[in-house]
Amino acid sequence: GQQVMQIPQYQHVQEGEDFTTYCNSSTTLSNIQWYKQRPGGHPVFLIQLVKSGEVKKQKRLTFQFGEAKKNSSLHITATQTTDVGTYFCAGPHSGYALNFGKGTSLLVTP
Amino acid sequence: DADVTQTPRNRITKTGKRIMLECSQTKGHDRMYWYRQDPGLGLRLIYYSFDVKDINKGEISDGYSVSRQAQAKFSLSLESAIPNQTALYFCATSDFRTSGSNEQFFGPGTRLTVL
Repeated sequence: GQQVMQIPQYQHVQEGEDFTTYCNSSTTLSNIQWYKQRPGGHPVFLIQLVKSGEVKKQKRLTFQFGEAKKNSSLHITATQTTDVGTYFCAGPHSGYALNFGKGTSLLVTP
Repeated sequence: DADVTQTPRNRITKTGKRIMLECSQTKGHDRMYWYRQDPGLGLRLIYYSFDVKDINKGEISDGYSVSRQAQAKFSLSLESAIPNQTALYFCATSDFRTSGSNEQFFGPGTRLTVL
């Protein structure tokens, strides 16, 4: 399956600042998914992107899929303490299993 | 997700012991997965099963085996546990048969420590 690289590994922001995490693949992805894992919790599905150049929004979260379908980003506008956690991107592995990136851990201080 | 349960939630064992981690789901999903999570390494796929008769190795299957006893149950075994298998283990499910989706629903995890 394709390997997905995710940066940065950690990000510490003040509440109200914006945050972005990036996901890159060396090969074209048929789709990409994003998950959030709160501290002490389990990963929870956020969204799936399928189309080249796709942009989807969920309240303060904006997800993009690159034109070449090799990269994706998650942008959070005006972070809140409830956004704390680790955000993972995941690409397909051998027919509907997933290859996860290593994740970006977000810390938000009030 | 409360519909995916894992037992035990925590386990401490010794090197060389055989350990079984169990996963059950009431979601009626056809596909089940086992991942391990280590700090800084994300989630790595151990094994996955697309139905009861289909078992596939993932990225890091060495030292592990699985059994899909029924559509709702998927067990992970460590035949002879070693300290570098200390990790957080997650079971997950997806509903491809009816939804065509590989969105995954995770259990609460099992924290395994091998001394």
